[in-house]
Amino acid sequence: DTGVSQDPRHKITKRGQNVTFRCDPISEHNRLYWYRQTLGQGPEFLTYFQNEAQLEKSRLLSDRFSAERPKGSFSTLEIQRTEQGDSAMYLCASSLGSGPNYNEQFFGPGTRLTVL
Amino acid sequence: AQKVTQAQTEISVVEKEDVTLDCVYETRDTTYYLFWYKQPPSGELVFLIRRNSFDEQNEISGRYSWNFQKSTSSFNFTITASQVVDSAVYFCALLYSSASKIIFGSGTRLSIRP
Repeated sequence: DTGVSQDPRHKITKRGQNVTFRCDPISEHNRLYWYRQTLGQGPEFLTYFQNEAQLEKSRLLSDRFSAERPKGSFSTLEIQRTEQGDSAMYLCASSLGSGPNYNEQFFGPGTRLTVL
Repeated sequence: AQKVTQAQTEISVVEKEDVTLDCVYETRDTTYYLFWYKQPPSGELVFLIRRNSFDEQNEISGRYSWNFQKSTSSFNFTITASQVVDSAVYFCALLYSSASKIIFGSGTRLSIRP
C-alpha cells in the first residue's frame, strides 16, 4: 500500500492521559499536514511540515499538543493531559510540495480518539 | 476572509436520480484552488477533483461533473444517475495561494435510497 497510513486507527483513553499518534506519508511527499475533524464538521487544519521543519501551527493547537517530524519522514502528534473536547478524528495528509500538483493533499484513514 | 459554505447539510434521493451539491467560497486571493473530497462511512477522505482559479472549464468524469463559476464564487458538483455507493459525506474545500492549509466546508451528507 503506497498511500498515507496512520496508527492507531482508534484510541480510547481516559481524561488526563497522554496519547501519541503516528502518520506515515506517501514516500516521495515532503509536506505533511495534520487536521482534526469533529463530528458533523469538516476537517480543520492543525499544523504542517515541510520536510522536518514545522512551518505553520493553527491556534487550535494548544500547548497540550505537539507534533514532530524528526527525519522528514513519519510524523507524530502527541496530546498531553487529554480532555473530553479532544475527542475527534485526527487526519494526516501529505503532498509533494513542488511541481504542478504540489498542493494535492492525500489523506490517511485517520485516528479516531475518544476521551472518556 | 477565506471561507467555504455548503448550505445543504443533508440530501436524500432515490437511486438513479441526478443530484447537485452546492459550494460557495470566499477568498480575496486571485490564485486559489478548489477541491471536492468524498468521505464514505469508513472515514477516509477521497480526493475527487482539483480546479485552479484560472481554469473555469467545467469537467466531467463518468457520472460526476463539476461547474465552476467565478462570477458567483461557486463550484457545484453533480452526480448523474446516482447509485447507492455514492452515499457519503462530500466536502468542498479551498486552498488559497498564500496558504498551505485546505479550508473545508462543513460537508453535505448524501444518502442514495435504493
